[in-house]
Amino acid sequence: ETGVTQTPRHLVMGMTNKKSLKCEQHLGHNAMYWYKQSAKKPLELMFVYSLEERVENNSVPSRFSPECPNSSHLFLHLHTLQPEDSALYLCASSQELAGGTFTDTQYFGPGTRLTVL
Amino acid sequence: RKEVEQDPGPFNVPEGATVAFNCTYSNSASQSFFWYRQDCRKEPKLLMSVYSSGNEDGRFTAQLNRASQYISLLIRDSKLSDSATYLCVVTEHTYSGGGADGLTFGKGTHLIIQP
Repeated sequence: ETGVTQTPRHLVMGMTNKKSLKCEQHLGHNAMYWYKQSAKKPLELMFVYSLEERVENNSVPSRFSPECPNSSHLFLHLHTLQPEDSALYLCASSQELAGGTFTDTQYFGPGTRLTVL
Repeated sequence: RKEVEQDPGPFNVPEGATVAFNCTYSNSASQSFFWYRQDCRKEPKLLMSVYSSGNEDGRFTAQLNRASQYISLLIRDSKLSDSATYLCVVTEHTYSGGGADGLTFGKGTHLIIQP
């Protein structure tokens, strides 16, 4: 499936590196999300963008910086990460409808598996 | 704090058997409920939404009990391809004037169907 794509699929970085994760959705959706999935933990919502504006930030450390230049693209900029940030980072998209309602179905990308050394 | 609790399993079930999972949620304001399926090293995918009246999709039946704050998933005539992790997901529509909402996930229940 090519609905939501993420690059890179795997990333190994040192604690002093700066890298970016990219997500692109081809579904015409207007809301995008970043989730973190660590071993033996539930998926954690990190950021939500609706209509290209950030509407939710679940107290994520500032070493993670999201960017949403348009409704199809979402980035997660990483700098000075810690080993405990190693996880699978999943991007998702959904469609917000008029009148403040939205479809709940979220479509996930394949994820970027990040290892911080 | 919003929490969604699931038995992590694994549930080892012979092919053809019926298996059921439960999930409890802590936030009584939760409005929407789902089961997602996640295969090993893959992304989660929506299996089915859960409606108050209960709903069925082929071999899968989902039920919601708002009073007790739990959701269930029943799989009949299980197939080898049903082996996966099943994620209970809950969301609440708390915003106004537009704006998206994220989902609260359980840790998942690991199901293994044995031949």
